[in-house]
Amino acid sequence: EAGVVQSPRYKIIEKKQPVAFWCNPISGHNTLYWYRQNLGQGPELLIRYENEEAVDDSQLPKDRFSAERLKGVDSTLKIQPAELGDSAVYLCASSLDSGASMVFGPGTRLTVL
Amino acid sequence: AQSVAQPEDQVNVAEGNPLTVKCTYSVSGNPYLFWYVQYPNRGLQFLLKYITGDNLVKGSYGFEAEFNKSQTSFHLKKPSALVSDSALYFCAVRDLGRNTDKLIFGTGTRLQVFP
Repeated sequence: EAGVVQSPRYKIIEKKQPVAFWCNPISGHNTLYWYRQNLGQGPELLIRYENEEAVDDSQLPKDRFSAERLKGVDSTLKIQPAELGDSAVYLCASSLDSGASMVFGPGTRLTVL
Repeated sequence: AQSVAQPEDQVNVAEGNPLTVKCTYSVSGNPYLFWYVQYPNRGLQFLLKYITGDNLVKGSYGFEAEFNKSQTSFHLKKPSALVSDSALYFCAVRDLGRNTDKLIFGTGTRLQVFP
């Protein structure tokens, strides 16, 4: 079975530029998570979707970050404008339902110059 | 609040020797504990989990972990380390509630296995 797919795998941008990350979860997985992993740290949840509804976005910096999951399948995470401190690995994960086993994608490594 | 701590930034072990990567937890209620491994430029891979039952949990690649309630620990172990086990290991607790579902990770421990 195909795993969680993320693109791009790497992105280098200058500060103040916009950037977007895409995630395709495992087929049939209703719950989708976006995590951010700063260098030398463990991942931290940014947002969780149940189908197309964002049910937990309490940790998402809403002034510059936005996300969507149209039709309850693929998801896009956007940063506009990017800041130096946004350099991190952005991980997408999915699970069959809330509480079920979580499968992570390979991540997108963002470097903001 | 749920949390896990990994007291060691790095663990070094010779190939063939047993390894232990330490994790302690702080939770309210029953702990749902996990170990993940991260290889360079790859995502997190699930190793094992403890939800309930036997305190010794067996997982992927020959790893196991021992749940110790009295010491609030969930140490990862392997009887004989391989060079290919060298990676970054994360302990995590699942914060699962009425409106919450997320993994809370430790800061990670880098395991280096020397030939």
